[in-house]
Amino acid sequence: AQTVTQSQPEMSVQEAETVTLSCTYDTSESDYYLFWYKQPPSRQMILVIRQEAYKQQNATENRFSVNFQKAAKSFSLKISDSQLGDAAMYFCASNTGNQFYFGTGTSLTVIP
Amino acid sequence: DAMVIQNPRYQVTQFGKPVTLSCSQTLNHNVMYWYQQKSSQAPKLLFHYYDKDFNNEADTPDNFQSRRPNTSFCFLDIRSPGLGDAAMYLCATSRIPDSYEQYFGPGTRLTVT
Repeated sequence: AQTVTQSQPEMSVQEAETVTLSCTYDTSESDYYLFWYKQPPSRQMILVIRQEAYKQQNATENRFSVNFQKAAKSFSLKISDSQLGDAAMYFCASNTGNQFYFGTGTSLTVIP
Repeated sequence: DAMVIQNPRYQVTQFGKPVTLSCSQTLNHNVMYWYQQKSSQAPKLLFHYYDKDFNNEADTPDNFQSRRPNTSFCFLDIRSPGLGDAAMYLCATSRIPDSYEQYFGPGTRLTVT
């Protein structure tokens, strides 16, 4: 089984600033995927960014990027130029085959 | 737009009264999942269908059952809801092995009175 750990239950960031959310995982698999999901209050869970473990290049989606350190089993999410709409619960997740493992989430507050 | 749809969005049931939650998808994904999510917690996987193969999580109570009559639909049946079953229930889909990311529906919030 895999475990995913998010050590920051809550984070806050000033609007327009940059924030990094931490995630570590533990797996014995060689082939797996990593994801960051965003869940705004009372709204749908949506995918923010994904990373294939076999790719060395860090994934980037507009203002969102990851720092994937495979040896350290670390997968942090950087949000640049934070916006009010980024306020949400962020879940880190890993996947092998049809098994999905979520972290406990980080609640991000964006301060105007 | 292709999507995952959950009905109803809000469900109120009485203690012990069976309830069924519905999920449908237009993505033609082969895997469908049911999660239970309680306030400010991570989603907890209850079970999933890989095509027609049912996979139950070891700690999912027997009170929870699921049916997948076809590719598009999947149902969550709670046979005798207790107060502790009040939660958000999320349906998700994925296409394996093409892509391992999961697409989530908006959820059904279940209240047990």
